[in-house]
Amino acid sequence: DAKTTQPPSMDCAEGRAANLPCNHSTISGNEYVYWYRQIHSQGPQYIIHGLKNNETNEMASLIITEDRKSSTLILPHATLRDTAVYYCIVRVGANSGYALNFGKGTSLLVTP
Amino acid sequence: NAGVTQTPKFQVLKTGQSMTLQCAQDMNHEYMSWYRQDPGMGLRLIHYSVGAGITDQGEVPNGYNVSRSTTEDFPLRLLSAAPSQTSVYFCASEGIGAGELFFGEGSRLTVL
Repeated sequence: DAKTTQPPSMDCAEGRAANLPCNHSTISGNEYVYWYRQIHSQGPQYIIHGLKNNETNEMASLIITEDRKSSTLILPHATLRDTAVYYCIVRVGANSGYALNFGKGTSLLVTP
Repeated sequence: NAGVTQTPKFQVLKTGQSMTLQCAQDMNHEYMSWYRQDPGMGLRLIHYSVGAGITDQGEVPNGYNVSRSTTEDFPLRLLSAAPSQTSVYFCASEGIGAGELFFGEGSRLTVL
């Protein structure tokens, strides 16, 4: 699986949009971009994933550049409960038999 | 729906002791995996399974053993515990075509 690069930490004011970048310049054509987050010491929580089109669900939006070398996770209205470590992962699709390779992620701090 | 259940939540071992971390899921997921997380680091894959009777090694398999006799259960065995195995262990499962891993709440292991 391709490697990803994320900033180690970011701050965001409560109520503002949090934009978390991820670089995956060596991504292959059959690799998806996944985002997970880990709140405190709980188990990671799935947020969203996509291949090449932008995706949106009730939690967030995922914007993937046209060349697919980078992506941005957007939390439209960050709350204090969104304070967590966010992991960007690339993976060869669902049920590919390959498990996710987590890096160190981005530690997002949402402030009042 | 319990999801992914891990037991025990906390365990203290002495060096050289053996033990089994239990993981069970009630979602009929084919894919299951074990990760460990050390302070300040992301999750690292220990072992994974793509179905009953099939297991494979991840990034850090040494000192651990797994088996998958049923779809529901994926136990992780520590053969001879070492202080370097002090960590938080997470079990995860994934359904066919879903692309989303469900994680357990974690098992915190201390080896003295």
